[in-house]
Amino acid sequence: SQQGEEDPQALSIQEGENATMNCSYKTSINNLQWYRQNSGRGLVHLILIRSNEREKHSGRLRVTLDTSKKSSSLLITASRAADTASYFCATESHTGGFKTIFGAGTRLFVKA
Amino acid sequence: GAVVSQHPSWVICKSGTSVKIECRSLDFQATTMFWYRQFPKQSLMLMATSNEGSKATYEQGVEKDKFLINHASLTLSTLTVTSAHPEDSSFYICSARDPDRSYEQYFGPGTRLTVT
Repeated sequence: SQQGEEDPQALSIQEGENATMNCSYKTSINNLQWYRQNSGRGLVHLILIRSNEREKHSGRLRVTLDTSKKSSSLLITASRAADTASYFCATESHTGGFKTIFGAGTRLFVKA
Repeated sequence: GAVVSQHPSWVICKSGTSVKIECRSLDFQATTMFWYRQFPKQSLMLMATSNEGSKATYEQGVEKDKFLINHASLTLSTLTVTSAHPEDSSFYICSARDPDRSYEQYFGPGTRLTVT
């Protein structure tokens, strides 16, 4: 099962621009994580934000969490061609036996 | 950080045969591991939760007799795809939680299965 939706499904931008991806989920969560996946490869963990946090930064990444709206956003600033990948949000819920459920993902393409 | 490995990284098998995929936690003991399946251009779908010493818990719609999971030790879980068919071709990813790191989750690199 999937927890929720991500939008956009695909995003194409120029190098140097910012990329914003959104994620919505359905149930109460312990935390929300963002992962990156290059085509045909494994997952790379980007950032984790806990349910009592509203914003978190890591390098060029900024994540926000709005538990009242059950939504999160990932902002990548000053994008690079190397940022081209699929990005997934994933939620962990204590009611789900600490399972991690992934969103549908956003495919980001950064043009050089 | 903790490392989770999978073996093999890719496998090609003929329709009707069975394939076993291993998931190992290399530097920690994992009482719980998870198996995911990912079809091309799609997200990861949780298949089952693998519990050491007990039966796996399968997600709705996942055939437990087709996808056999064995968590025989605290560092090893195996997924066996029985009587594989071309529609089972997918990317299989496992993850494990480290109880000594606040049950933080670590993902394996994945196994690409192609059934011909």
